[in-house]
Amino acid sequence: DGGITQSPKYLFRKEGQNVTLSCEQNLNHDAMYWYRQDPGQGLRLIYYSQIVNDFQKGDIAEGYSVSREKKESFPLTVTSAQKNPTAFYLCASTMSNTEAFFGQGTRLTVV
Amino acid sequence: GENVEQHPSTLSVQEGDSAVIKCTYSDSASNYFPWYKQELGKRPQLIIDIRSNVGEKKDQRIAVTLNKTAKHFSLHITETQPEDSAVYFCAASRGDKIIFGKGTRLHILP
Repeated sequence: DGGITQSPKYLFRKEGQNVTLSCEQNLNHDAMYWYRQDPGQGLRLIYYSQIVNDFQKGDIAEGYSVSREKKESFPLTVTSAQKNPTAFYLCASTMSNTEAFFGQGTRLTVV
Repeated sequence: GENVEQHPSTLSVQEGDSAVIKCTYSDSASNYFPWYKQELGKRPQLIIDIRSNVGEKKDQRIAVTLNKTAKHFSLHITETQPEDSAVYFCAASRGDKIIFGKGTRLHILP
């Protein structure tokens, strides 16, 4: 069954903790993306990667980090430097300039 | 940086009427313009897309128009139905990153 999978669905973080959100795809897509979704803010780009071992900052990269060691995987770490991390995070993958497929999302809450 | 403006943020239409959502983009190198629908609690899904070498595209009740000179593109939904209620996002891409608008919440009134 092909697709893009995010885990976990819900995640709780204590103040000062780093947490990592998983994103895996078996669509053989080259490009992968992380977006943050807040009410009324749409989908804001955090990081994106076009090829393995390369990635670029999006509009709101501060306080986040990523890696792309494998084509299939693009994990996002929310660091303690991110002052307002509570949000819905969406991962997507695509071949260049074609339909983007989204994961089911991870809802991160700071407790 | 690149920007996509989307209007209106909220739209209410009577069932059976038409709905129009408009977007503008800033990067003239953008050449792919998809539209996504996100139902409550679900992931965004592509409903229609258009490339820069085409001015209009239609799929049943949904159509998209593109004006490259003005950097405008629009989504048209005709004969709206209750299941059209959702948040709609426009986006622009030049082949590397995809920039989304802030979304339009569409309400279909009975």
